[in-house]
Amino acid sequence: NAGVTQTPKFRILKIGQSMTLQCTQDMNHNYMYWYRQDPGMGLKLIYYSVGAGITDKGEVPNGYNVSRSTTEDFPLRLELAAPSQTSVYFCASTTGSVNTEAFFGQGTRLTVV
Amino acid sequence: KQEVTQIPAALSVPEGENLVLNCSFTDSAIYNLQWFRQDPGKGLTSLLLIQSSQREQTSGRLNASLDKSSGRSTLYIAASQPGDSATYLCAVRPNQAGTALIFGKGTTLSVSS
Repeated sequence: NAGVTQTPKFRILKIGQSMTLQCTQDMNHNYMYWYRQDPGMGLKLIYYSVGAGITDKGEVPNGYNVSRSTTEDFPLRLELAAPSQTSVYFCASTTGSVNTEAFFGQGTRLTVV
Repeated sequence: KQEVTQIPAALSVPEGENLVLNCSFTDSAIYNLQWFRQDPGKGLTSLLLIQSSQREQTSGRLNASLDKSSGRSTLYIAASQPGDSATYLCAVRPNQAGTALIFGKGTTLSVSS
């Protein structure tokens, strides 16, 4: 059982480049989330989705885009990378039931130079 | 706006001590509270989930309590071991449809042998 899988694990981008962070889950979860984690700042929500075709902004959405064409996949797109987007990105998923735990991927460490 | 606070930010204890990590939240309207463990450079591993109707949950040497009315949760670790060294994160899920987990900044625990 793979759970939540994120790729790549590490990436260095130059300012202005674009990239897509991949996230896939095999637990048939409806809810999926993207967080970023900065040192000493905790995890902040970027975007989330409650099902295929439905996405919504979180606390820090600027500079990012998402799509949810299938239940399994929830990619995060950075269009014009900026140094402020240097961070560790985590994808998570859970069922629609309010009393089930959330599962996290291993993270993508992104550096923008 | 829901805010989650964890105290202390860092804690160092000798092996064998029992210890308590604290988590407080400002809005008692939650579905559940979840405790996670994060090792350096790794993802989040779920430790315990407490539903809003529950008072505590136990897993091995870990016991988590929830006092929803006062906005507090504690994570009790019995007979600490060096392998318990990690950052412990607390997160609440507000009881609004489509909302995501809101995290505290974590407590970094160091257990010395």
